[in-house]
Amino acid sequence: TQLLEQSPQFLSIQEGENLTVYCNSSSVFSSLQWYRQEPGEGPVLLVTVVTGGEVKKLKRLTFQFGDARKDSSLHITAAQPGDTGLYLCAGIKASGSRLTFGEGTQLTVNP
Amino acid sequence: EAQVTQNPRYLITVTGKKLTVTCSQNMNHEYMSWYRQDPGLGLRQIYYSMNVEVTDKGDVPEGYKVSRKEKRNFPLILESPSPNQTSLYFCASSLFASPETQYFGPGTRLLVL
Repeated sequence: TQLLEQSPQFLSIQEGENLTVYCNSSSVFSSLQWYRQEPGEGPVLLVTVVTGGEVKKLKRLTFQFGDARKDSSLHITAAQPGDTGLYLCAGIKASGSRLTFGEGTQLTVNP
Repeated sequence: EAQVTQNPRYLITVTGKKLTVTCSQNMNHEYMSWYRQDPGLGLRQIYYSMNVEVTDKGDVPEGYKVSRKEKRNFPLILESPSPNQTSLYFCASSLFASPETQYFGPGTRLLVL
């Protein structure tokens, strides 16, 4: 059973569309991270959210941490082909020593 | 250039033949970790180390060994590889004794026949 569940697992959209990826858990996390991974490379950290209800923006990407610190979302506005990749959420629990990943969302943005 | 390096990048081996995947970081990071990535399962942590001579199990440690004799190196050892260890392996490091702000290596693709 995956501790962090991401949805959808696959998403194919047209350039210019908006999209939201969800990361849900029944566990509380002290912080939650979002990574992006391209083929043949390791994941690259996009953002860390630490406070319940926190919203962070990174250009066209908006990240939100749920009030109860059990879930998070990633919203992309006006998606571009360069946004194509595997998006991974990952959580750190209060003990702080381990990182647990979701299954990932494979996003394809078609020109 | 600050980086995490892994070697080899690709490896094909046979069941039972011991192998080591090396991981090295040049950023003086405290925390290092190994993950395996399988389709539909995301990344799962194998082992991690919060400092020299300090290692601990992650979620899927069975069949793997690690050591942290020096701060910069964290090799992953498969004493007797089996086909179910065919996977994409990533090493990562972070500055403090915590997985926050991890930098990942480029990955090692392993095929066990």
